[in-house]
Amino acid sequence: DIVMTQSPDSLAVSLGERATINCKSSQSVLYSSNNKNFLGWYQQKPGQPPKLLIYWASTRESGVPDRFSGSGSGTDFTLTISSLQAEDVAVYYCQAYYRNVLSFGGGTKVEIK
Amino acid sequence: QVQLVESGGGVVQPGRSLRLSCAASGFTFSNYAIHWVRQAPGKGLEWVSVISYDGNTIKYGDSVKGRITISRDNSKNTVYLQMNSLTTEDTAVYYCARENYDSSGYYEGLDHWGQGTLVTVSS
Repeated sequence: DIVMTQSPDSLAVSLGERATINCKSSQSVLYSSNNKNFLGWYQQKPGQPPKLLIYWASTRESGVPDRFSGSGSGTDFTLTISSLQAEDVAVYYCQAYYRNVLSFGGGTKVEIK
Repeated sequence: QVQLVESGGGVVQPGRSLRLSCAASGFTFSNYAIHWVRQAPGKGLEWVSVISYDGNTIKYGDSVKGRITISRDNSKNTVYLQMNSLTTEDTAVYYCARENYDSSGYYEGLDHWGQGTLVTVSS
């Protein structure tokens, strides 16, 4: 199975500043048949289930604010929150898909500085 | 609207069994694969299992393989997770989630999740 490694484990960012989360997979998640990276990002707030933010590494799910963006390809990916808002305080997870099997990263806790 | 509702959680002794259910509504259930994901208290997300839209493709995570069986009844819009030989390591909130896909059938992500059901394994 693919192993997903996120960094940092936590970060504190001032309101309005940029937050950047990294995710590395143990093998490429680029699918040659459609040239898409099967890598998603989820946001989880306390007491709530996760929420899909980004799929295919960079495609925002419907309704997700455009301050959230994803980038990367192959094995290295990044989630960027361009201007942190108070409601963005949460734990963020990357997740890979390979042959019907999912793998989650360990999570990154984002707080306000 | 799309809804997934888990049930069946509770307190169970080590070595015993439990069956979780995930009842779906608001979409054509028989067109979608369903995943189970769990989260131990204060920990991250761990993928548990998936069943395809027709039940013909099933996968399990390494930590539960051999002890867990996933199934579905498309006539009842429900997915089941039978968990046997439970240990304290299985204590977690168990979520079911719908797998979304594009027009070519490619995976897009888990776009709808239930609120979860808590399983506590304790003597």
